[in-house]
Amino acid sequence: KNQVEQSPQSLIILEGKNCTLQCNYTVSPFSNLRWYKQDTGRGPVSLTIMTFSENTKSNGRYTATLDADTKQSSLHITASQLSDSASYICVVSGYGRGSTLGRLYFGRGTQLTVWP
Amino acid sequence: NAGVTQTPKFRVLKTGQSMTLLCAQDMNHEYMYWYRQDPGMGLRLIHYSVGEGTTAKGEVPDGYNVSRLKKQNFLLGLESAAPSQTSVYFCASSYAQTYEQYFGPGTRLTVT
Repeated sequence: KNQVEQSPQSLIILEGKNCTLQCNYTVSPFSNLRWYKQDTGRGPVSLTIMTFSENTKSNGRYTATLDADTKQSSLHITASQLSDSASYICVVSGYGRGSTLGRLYFGRGTQLTVWP
Repeated sequence: NAGVTQTPKFRVLKTGQSMTLLCAQDMNHEYMYWYRQDPGMGLRLIHYSVGEGTTAKGEVPDGYNVSRLKKQNFLLGLESAAPSQTSVYFCASSYAQTYEQYFGPGTRLTVT
């Protein structure tokens, strides 16, 4: 069964600290993996998209890694800021079969809270 | 450049009433999507469109209909609202299937 599991479910850190969020997936065949940031009451915003051949991708203080062999990804946030408080969603895209759209599998998200 | 916009932002319906949610994008994207987001669950795809005049069912299409008469607009309709349709609805668009999806701000719908 194609699934995306994220851990931890929630995380509290102090401002200025680093943290790492995890994403494990069982989606096959694999197309790409995306990390989104969703602020409370807003729509998700894309942070990174990685294909099978990419191991690491950065977007400012956000660095995503992908191990396609073990089907694991992580999102590392460096020097956290209060504005990083949000839900971080891992999304895995699989190739569609018999349909016009590759299926997107959404994780339930990790709720990050940054305290001053 | 407004990106993806949704109207209305909030709505309360009584069971059995109907309504239409409007999504508009100004990025000339071919692909558009409607999702629902419920507490403790990931986003779930309701319907999608790969171009003007085309629509297709997603993961949870029952109770919803859609139309894509113009490339920039994607409408989501509820013909007879049910309490189970209480949710936050997000519209998204993308240039192509494997490209980044841009999300709207969401519509919070409550069905009593």
